[in-house]
Amino acid sequence: GAVVSQHPSWVICKSGTSVKIECRSLDFQATTMFWYRQFPKQSLMLMATSNEGSKATYEQGVEKDKFLINHASLTLSTLTVTSAHPEDSSFYICSARDLSFGTGGNSPLHFGNGTRLTVT
Amino acid sequence: AQKVTQAQTEISVVEKEDVTLDCVYETRDTTYYLFWYKQPPSGELVFLIRRNSFDEQNEISGRYSWNFQKSTSSFNFTITASQVVDSAVYFCALSGRGSTLGRLYFGRGTQLTVWP
Repeated sequence: GAVVSQHPSWVICKSGTSVKIECRSLDFQATTMFWYRQFPKQSLMLMATSNEGSKATYEQGVEKDKFLINHASLTLSTLTVTSAHPEDSSFYICSARDLSFGTGGNSPLHFGNGTRLTVT
Repeated sequence: AQKVTQAQTEISVVEKEDVTLDCVYETRDTTYYLFWYKQPPSGELVFLIRRNSFDEQNEISGRYSWNFQKSTSSFNFTITASQVVDSAVYFCALSGRGSTLGRLYFGRGTQLTVWP
């Protein structure tokens, strides 16, 4: 079935560096993707809505200059954590909506497997 | 504003017991969607169910069942005859309709531990 591939699964980086996370829809086109963040033992919080060909829509409190989102094609959205700090260590997970079933309520929503980021 | 409350932080049961996970939601939308996801220790989200606000029929899928009560804004999840493999964090989530479908608001999750 339809799959959303997220890469890398885990990454360790040094403080001050930037990290790019990819979210790819493998067999469907996704004009809209969503990025979530999950701290240990906490809930998933929506960070932003990624829109193909236009700027992402960020949730309140999310720094757009810190978390750069690029949705350059119908199958790929990237999240770049810039100048990462230890407090950015978290589990990042993306989702994509398969609109081949229409824009109504039946369109499936698929999640990637997540990326565990550790900033040292 | 959209809000999902899962009051139970942790639940422990012994195998074969039935367990119900509570979910209460708040929304001003008249059309909305409710979801349940399972998150095992590996982290991925496993989709369990999606229900739209116009469909109040309860649903059963194997050992899983869901009770949607619009009058009390609740969407509870019951596992019958629990198994060790059911141990995971379970999230209830809410989404609006149309272009906002997919923007999920998650509850804080319930950690279910099933002991052998």
